[in-house]
Amino acid sequence: GAGVSQSPSNKVTEKGKDVELRCDPISGHTALYWYRQSLGQGLEFLIYFQGNSAPDKSGLPSDRFSAERTGGSVSTLTIQRTQQEDSAVYLCASSSSGGAGLEQYFGPGTRLTVT
Amino acid sequence: TQLLEQSPQFLSIQEGENLTVYCNSSSVFSSLQWYRQEPGEGPVLLVTVVTGGEVKKLKRLTFQFGDARKDSSLHITAAQPGDTGLYLCAGAAPVGFKTIFGAGTRLFVKA
Repeated sequence: GAGVSQSPSNKVTEKGKDVELRCDPISGHTALYWYRQSLGQGLEFLIYFQGNSAPDKSGLPSDRFSAERTGGSVSTLTIQRTQQEDSAVYLCASSSSGGAGLEQYFGPGTRLTVT
Repeated sequence: TQLLEQSPQFLSIQEGENLTVYCNSSSVFSSLQWYRQEPGEGPVLLVTVVTGGEVKKLKRLTFQFGDARKDSSLHITAAQPGDTGLYLCAGAAPVGFKTIFGAGTRLFVKA
């Protein structure tokens, strides 16, 4: 079946512009995660959605970052007034249900470059 | 703050050599996972270890979870060029839904 898909695969934007990154999780997966991966670094947790529960936003680095998950499926990560330090690969993952320790299936990521 | 430290950060070896990658923390994790990531792709799960002292084998890869559930190791026997990639360990916090990732070990196996 289809895996996790993300779009766009690459995004170049000017400093100060807003960007939207999209994630389509595996059908039926109730949990969805967003991570950020900077060059040479591990994955930095951003936000977690599980079913209809309130999302865990504790990893969002600033109020310029927000995310939505509509209808329990597709998710959009929005970065407002982008800064150069926002340049990174943004990865989305889904799992069959909530709870850490379950296998997370990752998308290929969106490489964001802020010039 | 829970942190996972991986070592070494980078490893370049010849085909056929053995290697061990370490993942250490001062915190206890309810489970620990190892992922492999290739360029331009997302990480893919290799194994999950849950019980302290647990050893799991996946072909030439051997994974061990420390008795105190604070550390883990990944041993690769007779490495092959196809093993090249970024190896990430990830720990499940005892409470909540976060998964904490280490910074990774970048492995390059030369033919």
